[in-house]
Amino acid sequence: EAGVTQSPTHLIKTRGQQATLRCSPISGHTSVYWYQQALGLGLQFLLWYDEGEERNRGNFPPRFSGRQFPNYSSELNVNALELEDSALYLCASSLIRGGSQETQYFGPGTRLLVL
Amino acid sequence: GQSLEQPSEVTAVEGAIVQINCTYQTSGFYGLSWYQQHDGGAPTFLSYNGLDGLEETGRFSSFLSRSDSYGYLLLQELQMKDSASYFCAVGDQTGANNLFFGTGTRLTVIP
Repeated sequence: EAGVTQSPTHLIKTRGQQATLRCSPISGHTSVYWYQQALGLGLQFLLWYDEGEERNRGNFPPRFSGRQFPNYSSELNVNALELEDSALYLCASSLIRGGSQETQYFGPGTRLLVL
Repeated sequence: GQSLEQPSEVTAVEGAIVQINCTYQTSGFYGLSWYQQHDGGAPTFLSYNGLDGLEETGRFSSFLSRSDSYGYLLLQELQMKDSASYFCAVGDQTGANNLFFGTGTRLTVIP
């Protein structure tokens, strides 16, 4: 079974540009999560999509946005890039079956560098 | 809101046992999970505690005390490959699956 895939693996942009990151979840998973991990730091929750709807977003400015497509893949868009946006962006997917916590399966990440 | 506290670094000897603690504050508790992340790699799920007590999976065990808002990850028979960062995570008020991660504990295993 294929795992979570992300593209591109690396992305270099300059300040003010826009970045688009993509994620394909494990087959059968309807939920996709996005996290930002700055160098040497923990995972900061960005966005959660399930069944095509945004379920929650973390404490990030509106220039971080995304969407989930009918095939459950997802896109993260970062507008007006700033230097501090340089980080590893991780995507995870999971099932949603009830009230208990489901395992999240992470992709390898996209390393974004803003110059 | 949520807050999680973990030690930032732990060093242990190969073959030994190490315990990584996690204390949390959260509005609405939906269980405590542990994830491992090697340098340059993606986080991978290790263990989950929804109820009080000990969960054992091979060399790894995880414990939860909801009354104390406390949990720990226990790694036995440490191997060099266990050198990694370990994150505890709780669900937030949105629900069980909206995870809030701690800042992570970097474990270094030495010969």
